[in-house]
Amino acid sequence: NAGVMQNPRHLVRRRGQEARLRCSPMKGHSHVYWYRQLPEEGLKFMVYLQKENIIDESGMPKERFSAEFPKEGPSILRIQQVVRGDSAAYFCASSPPAGGRYNEQFFGPGTRLTVL
Amino acid sequence: EDQVTQSPEALRLQEGESSSLNCSYTVSGLRGLFWYRQDPGKGPEFLFTLYSAGEEKEKERLKATLTKKESFLHITAPKPEDSATYLCAVPRGSQGNLIFGKGTKLSVKP
Repeated sequence: NAGVMQNPRHLVRRRGQEARLRCSPMKGHSHVYWYRQLPEEGLKFMVYLQKENIIDESGMPKERFSAEFPKEGPSILRIQQVVRGDSAAYFCASSPPAGGRYNEQFFGPGTRLTVL
Repeated sequence: EDQVTQSPEALRLQEGESSSLNCSYTVSGLRGLFWYRQDPGKGPEFLFTLYSAGEEKEKERLKATLTKKESFLHITAPKPEDSATYLCAVPRGSQGNLIFGKGTKLSVKP
């Protein structure tokens, strides 16, 4: 049973370019979360999605960042016109459909974005 | 404001030297507390979920406990392979997205 998959694992972009990060949740999981981890800082929530729906995007910057989780295919986190401050590790987590209590979130290996 | 604080920031132990990591939280209505392990360059690996005060869970040399204000991760007779950063997190509100502490970086020397 494959875990959460993310690609690419490493991504280098120049300032002003676009970055696209992909996440395939675990089989049977319908909830996807994106987190960002800056050097020497903790993981910070960005956005929570279910298939074709954004449930909570309160942690995502309102400009340049967008996320989607289409009916078919992986979830995508898109960063337009990247700046150096966007350099970080971006993690995706997935969980199964909620069943009363909160289900554990299982994380992927992350995408490390470097903006030159 | 919901908050998670972990201490110490870093902990160095000799192999076999038992210790505890602390996670204190302030949230309105705890809906569970999660412990993760993170190795350098990797994603967090799920360890435990605790839902109510008094609950305990064990896995190999690790035992997690929960009170109304904090959680402890006890490490008994650690080995070098237990070296990692240990993260604790609580769900925010009803949506389930997690608030993480900054972690405790554990180093176990042989």
